[in-house]
Amino acid sequence: AQKITQTQPGMFVQEKEAVTLDCTYDTSDPSYGLFWYKQPSSGEMIFLIYQGSYDQQNATEGRYSLNFQKARKSANLVISASQLGDSAMYFCAMREGREETSGSRLTFGEGTQLTVNP
Amino acid sequence: DTGVSQDPRHKITKRGQNVTFRCDPISEHNRLYWYRQTLGQGPEFLTYFQNEAQLEKSRLLSDRFSAERPKGSFSTLEIQRTEQGDSAMYLCASSVGTAQTYGNQPQHFGDGTRLSIL
Repeated sequence: AQKITQTQPGMFVQEKEAVTLDCTYDTSDPSYGLFWYKQPSSGEMIFLIYQGSYDQQNATEGRYSLNFQKARKSANLVISASQLGDSAMYFCAMREGREETSGSRLTFGEGTQLTVNP
Repeated sequence: DTGVSQDPRHKITKRGQNVTFRCDPISEHNRLYWYRQTLGQGPEFLTYFQNEAQLEKSRLLSDRFSAERPKGSFSTLEIQRTEQGDSAMYLCASSVGTAQTYGNQPQHFGDGTRLSIL
């Protein structure tokens, strides 16, 4: 079974509007972390936001927020006020298990290509 | 503060040849990770080091692959007897923390080495 599922291969949004990128995950471990990364066409992976499984509040970082619904096992990324520079591939990733026992390998989804239109 | 540096950026080689990639992590980052990314997919974990110790290896890392981090600073990834299926982007990442905080810390990625097998 897929650990991380991103069901939207491509998304389009108008500049200055908000957009939600979907991510669902599968784990039986109570301790895990969820990350979102941005990969522009130039190739570098840029960290955006992190949510821990025990965090009570949704994470926010500037224009990025994470809509964390633990019971539904979803961790959607919300980008507010989209900019042309937001056009990129976006990856959701998960770290499972307690750090002391399982290390910190990340499992990535297949990504969503976001295009921001002027 | 310099980021993760990878060398070379591109490598083209003939099938059957050996190749070696280098990764210089962010200074003072004690964890270093290698991932492989094929076109249209998210990165896949290969291996990671804490200081000079290789703590985990993926089953993706066949016996043709070897990684080292001899002094706990830079790392090398060698692929022996390259095959067509080895064509991919090889990404290096690093992170910092303690046993209790690694899982919460983002991994910072380099720009990758793109390997093409002729």
